[in-house]
Amino acid sequence: KNQVEQSPQSLIILEGKNCTLQCNYTVSPFSNLRWYKQDTGRGPVSLTIMTFSENTKSNGRYTATLDADTKQSSLHITASQLSDSASYICVVSMNRDDKIIFGKGTRLHILP
Amino acid sequence: KAGVTQTPRYLIKTRGQQVTLSCSPISGHRSVSWYQQTPGQGLQFLFEYFSETQRNKGNFPGRFSGRQFSNSRSEMNVSTLELGDSALYLCASSPWGQVRGESDTQYFGPGTRLTVL
Repeated sequence: KNQVEQSPQSLIILEGKNCTLQCNYTVSPFSNLRWYKQDTGRGPVSLTIMTFSENTKSNGRYTATLDADTKQSSLHITASQLSDSASYICVVSMNRDDKIIFGKGTRLHILP
Repeated sequence: KAGVTQTPRYLIKTRGQQVTLSCSPISGHRSVSWYQQTPGQGLQFLFEYFSETQRNKGNFPGRFSGRQFSNSRSEMNVSTLELGDSALYLCASSPWGQVRGESDTQYFGPGTRLTVL
């Protein structure tokens, strides 16, 4: 079954600290993996997109990694800021039938 | 360049009614996808339209339908509303959509919050 599992479900850290969010998938055949940030009351915004051959991609303080062999991805946030408080959603696209599988997201809370 | 817009932003309906939601994509984008987001299920794909044709469809009942116009604007219709249809409905546009083997960034609108009483 094609699934995307994210962990933890929620996370609370202090401002300035680093954190890493995990995404494990069983989607096959794999096309690409995206990380989205969704602020409360807004639509998701794309952070990174990685294809099979890419194993790391950065966007400012956000760095995503992809291990296509173990089917795992992580999103590392450096020097967190209050504005990083949001839900982070991992999305995997299939290289067949153009299907997209969404994770349920990690809710990140940054405390001052 | 204006972003994806959705109307209305909030909507309250009662069971059995029908509702039509509207989405205007970013200018030049030909693909429009619709998603349902609930706290328990997260984001779930409804369908994608490209050049006025439904290209992909998720696992939702036939009460959920959509269409796309020649200017790429899209509408989603839900008939015979049920309490479980209460959700945030998101629309996303991209230039070419989920083209097989290629990456294409989707830009999401702010969503329509539908409450069914």
